[in-house]
This record gives sequence, C-alpha cells and structure tokens, in this order.
Amino acid sequence: QVQLVESGGGVVQPGRSLRLSCAASGFTFSSYGMHWVRQGPGKGLEWVAVIWYDGSNIKYADSVKGRFTISRDNSKNTLYLQMNSLRGEDTGVYYCARGGGWKVGWLDPWGQGTLVTVSS
Amino acid sequence: EIVMTQSPATLSVSPGERATLSCRASQSVSSNLAWYQQKPAQAPRLLIYDASTRATDIPARFSGSGSGTEFTLTISSLQSEDFADYYCQQYNSRGPITFGQGTRLEIK
Repeated sequence: QVQLVESGGGVVQPGRSLRLSCAASGFTFSSYGMHWVRQGPGKGLEWVAVIWYDGSNIKYADSVKGRFTISRDNSKNTLYLQMNSLRGEDTGVYYCARGGGWKVGWLDPWGQGTLVTVSS
Repeated sequence: EIVMTQSPATLSVSPGERATLSCRASQSVSSNLAWYQQKPAQAPRLLIYDASTRATDIPARFSGSGSGTEFTLTISSLQSEDFADYYCQQYNSRGPITFGQGTRLEIK
C-alpha cells in the first residue's frame, strides 16, 4: 500500500538548521509531485512547499522562501526539506504528502508527520 | 495569495443529522478545491477533490459542491466517526496553495 514516513524532526535552537526526510513506498515515486505541509500547535494546516515529479518546478510559501529548500532523490524514493535559519514560528508537525492531478493540487495520502520544535 | 474562509468555526450537530460546512475563496478557484478530515493526533485525510469528486474509499454520505468562490461539504447522516476537524484547500492559482482555517464538527 502507499506509505509515506517522515523523519528528522526534533528540538533545535533558533537560527539553526534541520533536514527532514520522507520515505515513500507502494507507488512510483518518480511519477508524482510531492508537498510539505505543517501544522503549528493547536493551529490549522499551512502549506510549505511543492516539488514536481522531476524537480522541474518548485514553489514555496512566502513564510519559508529563502530559508527552506525542498528536494527529492528519485533513486532513493525520498523527499527532503532542508530548513535553515529556523524561528519559533516554524514549530509544528511537518507532513509530507503526495500531490494529485495534473496540477499536483490535492494531497493524498499524507504521512504521519514529524515534530519540529524550535526553542532555546 | 488566495484567502480561504471557512464557516462556521465550530458546528454542533447530533448523530444522524445532516452537516453543512462552507468554504469561500477570495477570488475564483474554478473547481480546484479539496476537502480534508483530520481527527486528533492523526494526519489529514483527503475526502473530496475537484470540488465534488470523492476520494478513494470515502463513504457516499460525504459530498462536495460549488465552483468559483463558494463551496460546500455536506455530510448527509453523521456517524460518530465523522466528528473531527475539516479543512478546505484551493489549488487553482499559480501562487501558493492555501487552506481554510478549519471547521470543528462536534457532537451536539
């Protein structure tokens, strides 16, 4: 079955970096666009970034542009999110999700999430 | 950026009754709209995409309608497992994907 498993979360000080990974299985990873979405404590969903199936198109939310980098390794069926210059407001659960449709627009399925806490 | 506004913030409904959740876009998103369900400590689950197409294995009691700027998610006869948070999301624009702030569906 389709499965997405995030890893790499943890506690990090403001200004430091962290890299998240998302291991995909059960589908042809190289054929799908992929997203990162985050959710702050007790808050709603915030889209973070998307990467097309071949890496040819990448978009970011304004809140992370210039600090976060989404990438993928299709040979390893793995999606990444490099997070630099982390801030307190970046705290939350980070989900990876497969994009659906030709616009890579809807998100299905989602991983279980990995918690990032930015605190001194 | 397209702003998505959901109403109400909280909806109290009795089991077996119908629930109607609304989502409004600040500009037209055509039919490029999805709905998600999220239960406590779980990842979101896709319910509806392209405004009215049910995702795989989603029960028929869930239906979506609307286009342009006004959208509705209807749950025809609420089951106990349907009480959760619901989010709409647009994917129309060349700009960022955006979510609504969510509607909490609670037991009356």
